[in-house]
Amino acid sequence: EIVLTQSPGTLSLSPGGRATLSCRAGQSVSSSYLAWYQQKPGQAPRLLIYGTSSRATGIPDRFSGSGSGTDFTLTISRLEPEDFAVYYCHQYGSSPLTFGGGTKVEIK
Amino acid sequence: QVQLQESGPGLVKPSETLSLTCTVSGDSLSSYYWSWIRQPPGKGLEWIGYIQNSGSTNYNPSLKSRITISVDTSKNQFSLELRSVSDADTAVYFCARGNGYFRYWGQGTLVTVSS
Repeated sequence: EIVLTQSPGTLSLSPGGRATLSCRAGQSVSSSYLAWYQQKPGQAPRLLIYGTSSRATGIPDRFSGSGSGTDFTLTISRLEPEDFAVYYCHQYGSSPLTFGGGTKVEIK
Repeated sequence: QVQLQESGPGLVKPSETLSLTCTVSGDSLSSYYWSWIRQPPGKGLEWIGYIQNSGSTNYNPSLKSRITISVDTSKNQFSLELRSVSDADTAVYFCARGNGYFRYWGQGTLVTVSS
């Protein structure tokens, strides 16, 4: 099983700031099959990024993903008020599919 | 527009079986794989397993001995059974489309295990 470790646990930033979220895998993620989701309280996760760097339909270009192997990053270039939420990385290159523990982006 | 909706009891007694159904609209079960994912209150996400319309399944080894996922293409539904539940199975259960990344999710249903 590929363990995904996200850091930091909480990121306190101001609107307009830049958020950099890390996801480290315990072993290489096959074919860069790494996705990112945003989740707000009481809602289902929302797909942001798949294939490490492809934005899902309707996702603003302030969200970008990068990385390879065992180290992946989600960057939010300029935080909007609606971006304060919990973010999860997810690997789907090998079974069992696994998720990271999440990073909460909160308003400073 | 693809929509998924979970349904089932919100309360299950310890040692009994949790049964949930996901009804899909706007899409055919024949076209994709279909998954179950859960999230304990205040915690992260755990993939439970997926099924293809042919009935082929893939389960999380941590739950494999207790789960069955099945599909009913005539009703455009797929289902989850989790046997011998305990407090640790209390969670919001989501259904989702796919066996890789998940673009479409149900809203989730909270299942509490309690006597």
